[in-house]
Amino acid sequence: DGGITQSPKYLFRKEGQNVTLSCEQNLNHDAMYWYRQDPGQGLRLIYYSQIVNDFQKGDIAEGYSVSREKKESFPLTVTSAQKNPTAFYLCASSISGGANTEAFFGQGTRLTVV
Amino acid sequence: AQSVAQPEDQVNVAEGNPLTVKCTYSVSGNPYLFWYVQYPNRGLQFLLKYITGDNLVKGSYGFEAEFNKSQTSFHLKKPSALVSDSALYFCAVRDMDTGRRALTFGSGTRLQVQP
Repeated sequence: DGGITQSPKYLFRKEGQNVTLSCEQNLNHDAMYWYRQDPGQGLRLIYYSQIVNDFQKGDIAEGYSVSREKKESFPLTVTSAQKNPTAFYLCASSISGGANTEAFFGQGTRLTVV
Repeated sequence: AQSVAQPEDQVNVAEGNPLTVKCTYSVSGNPYLFWYVQYPNRGLQFLLKYITGDNLVKGSYGFEAEFNKSQTSFHLKKPSALVSDSALYFCAVRDMDTGRRALTFGSGTRLQVQP
């Protein structure tokens, strides 16, 4: 089956810890994205990548880091600098960075700080 | 900068009645517009998109949307609502004329269809 796989589905982080959220796609898509979802705020863009070894900051990149070493993988690290990391994180991909292409989403990772 | 507004946090409709979920947008150039649906604790599913051409776009599950350039709106519609349509709906935009290739989303509208 083709699709986007996010893991884990639930993640708990202690104060001061870094955690990494996994996102893998087998759709052969060039572009990948990370969004954060909070209640009542919709989705906000954290980082995006249009091609391997290249990525750009989104609207709320502070406290997050990414890498794009392989076309199929776009992991997101939530660092200790992110002061309010509890949220639902969504990864997406699209065929290219073309403006007319829709994005396909994974099932999300719910991160909770304990 | 591109932005999307969904003015209603929640829309309630009786099963079998028509439904409308509102969306307005702001872009500096010409827009590409999208609608997505989200069920609890799941990712977003693509419903439909407007790129160019006919202002009435048909999508999945019987949904359609009407693009109105003068009103900068892209309202989602369905002639007859189902209880299973109850979910969170997001409108999104991409500006054709900027370098930003990621979608910008609205805050979402919760649709509740009563039996």
